[in-house]
Amino acid sequence: DSGVTQTPKHLITATGQRVTLRCSPRSGDLSVYWYQQSLDQGLQFLIQYYNGEERAKGNILERFSAQQFPDLHSELNLSSLELGDSALYFCASSSRTGLNEKLFFGSGTQLSVL
Amino acid sequence: AQRVTQPEKLLSVFKGAPVELKCNYSYSGSPELFWYVQYSRQRLQLLLRHISRESIKGFTADLNKGETSFHLKKPFAQEEDSAMYYCALKRPGNTPLVFGKGTRLSVIA
Repeated sequence: DSGVTQTPKHLITATGQRVTLRCSPRSGDLSVYWYQQSLDQGLQFLIQYYNGEERAKGNILERFSAQQFPDLHSELNLSSLELGDSALYFCASSSRTGLNEKLFFGSGTQLSVL
Repeated sequence: AQRVTQPEKLLSVFKGAPVELKCNYSYSGSPELFWYVQYSRQRLQLLLRHISRESIKGFTADLNKGETSFHLKKPFAQEEDSAMYYCALKRPGNTPLVFGKGTRLSVIA
């Protein structure tokens, strides 16, 4: 167990809907990353937060947004869902950034858009 | 922009055979390179990083700046090595990990 908790584990929804994925980092970790994993694209970096502030943005669609709260948990909001958004969404946390940073991953949320 | 390429989606080897998972990167500076592994029904986890020059579970990886490669090697594959392997790159500073698309290693008994 990495200490990173993601809920829910599975989510089935319809096109056009909006969902929220939640991530609780390891105790004391200030950095939270969101990744999307799909069969054809592999692991795609979406967004990073550090101590409540956005630090880096990757291939995140405008329909997607995220935030990190004062208690350091993070939420990824996906709206106007499309079939192509079906994927495994991972959250990772780390206690330090820069050299020798080590990411600890959650078990992911499997999103199925029907 | 930096990019990580893992040319093989699937690699099958027999137990006891040597294995090499290829990783090439494109980045003009001095990156940090990592290998992450995801065993069946387990979380993605760090296997090794180039800066530590370590051997984990018999795996090693050498950073070759001239060839911009960071191939993962093991002299004798074991069945328990079957997993999804991701090569990842990090630019200096507070920057995110960029992953390759992964290689699924299947070790056949």
